[in-house]
Amino acid sequence: QKEVEQNSGPLSVPEGAIASLNCTYSDRGSQSFFWYRQYSGKSPELIMSIYSNGDKEDGRFTAQLNKASQYVSLLIRDSQPSDSATYLCAVNPRDTNAGKSTFGDGTTLTVKP
Amino acid sequence: KAGVTQTPRYLIKTRGQQVTLSCSPISGHRSVSWYQQTPGQGLQFLFEYFSETQRNKGNFPGRFSGRQFSNSRSEMNVSTLELGDSALYLCASSSSGDYGYTFGSGTRLTVV
Repeated sequence: QKEVEQNSGPLSVPEGAIASLNCTYSDRGSQSFFWYRQYSGKSPELIMSIYSNGDKEDGRFTAQLNKASQYVSLLIRDSQPSDSATYLCAVNPRDTNAGKSTFGDGTTLTVKP
Repeated sequence: KAGVTQTPRYLIKTRGQQVTLSCSPISGHRSVSWYQQTPGQGLQFLFEYFSETQRNKGNFPGRFSGRQFSNSRSEMNVSTLELGDSALYLCASSSSGDYGYTFGSGTRLTVV
């Protein structure tokens, strides 16, 4: 079992729809969770971080964390073609000085005009 | 505020050679992590340096090494290059890894 698993995708949604990206992780003691966006040919860019159970909203993005289910999700509301990218879930394990994130393989999102 | 600077952007090397990649983190960031990204394996953690000390290490062979200088700039070295080392090498800067990373543009290494 991979430490961090994401829907392989690709995921395609129409412009204006809600895109839902999911991630599960195996280390129950994980403390910090991140979502990165990576455009083709570019490096990853941090878009959301979440540390406690519940929802965290930032503009059109909402991250959701459920530690009991070991599940993290990212919702993108009012999806735009510019949101088309690969989204990477990253998890920091417990008991770390936290300079070691484990990444999922990413979910490629396409937003169709 | 300057971002994370990685040099060079592209490298072509021959099997058996060695290579050194450089990373200058965001000013004030003391943590520098290195990742290898390939289509088949995704982002794989190489190592992390904090205040000139290696704080975390991934599951890569000893051919992969790194260091960090007093100004937080970091280098990674790969010796005896193999074809499988062809990848995008990403440097990630953080004030503390628990706040997430800022990535550099990467160095694309091709081994022929």
